[in-house]
Amino acid sequence: DAKTTQPPSMDCAEGRAANLPCNHSTISGNEYVYWYRQIHSQGPQYIIHGLKNNETNEMASLIITEDRKSSTLILPHATLRDTAVYYCIVRVGANTGNQFYFGTGTSLTVIP
Amino acid sequence: NAGVMQNPRHLVRRRGQEARLRCSPMKGHSHVYWYRQLPEEGLKFMVYLQKENIIDESGMPKERFSAEFPKEGPSILRIQQVVRGDSAAYFCASSNSAGGYEQFFGPGTRLTVL
Repeated sequence: DAKTTQPPSMDCAEGRAANLPCNHSTISGNEYVYWYRQIHSQGPQYIIHGLKNNETNEMASLIITEDRKSSTLILPHATLRDTAVYYCIVRVGANTGNQFYFGTGTSLTVIP
Repeated sequence: NAGVMQNPRHLVRRRGQEARLRCSPMKGHSHVYWYRQLPEEGLKFMVYLQKENIIDESGMPKERFSAEFPKEGPSILRIQQVVRGDSAAYFCASSNSAGGYEQFFGPGTRLTVL
């Protein structure tokens, strides 16, 4: 079962930052936070992951609170192509065979 | 470098027939995962395989469903005697180590049972 809580939907104006929140209050010390997105029923696409430090890559930034009970995915300059369902997932370890538990995610709509 | 490939992309079966879904992982990847997505829902894990071994099948229905990943060739998800409730998108993912930090997903197979 998914161990995360996300708002079902959000809107964001094109060019503005999109901030997608995720609660994972029962996260364990060895669980990582991952973000994937699914564009229009395509296969999910990896975005970013982290354990406790904030992370940034070419797609997004991940901000994890100090107590690790919540996190925020930031798309710094949202474009129309960022319209997708965004999944926040917690998973044990980075080198285990454990599957990802996808919840229902946040449906982000970027508005022109 | 080709990504994860799945075929067919769309599959239509009548109730009682068999469905075979194929997944070719990314080059160099030896770990394969199958997920199912029902309409308006998130993906649900089904099974995790390595070459010739089923590692975790905790998400597989107990009957009619089976999966394999032979030494040579693609991974196969087989559904026998399909029912309308099997209609869904089936996604395959692969990684290059045990789990790895990233699973690469294929485009999915849309199964429709008439």
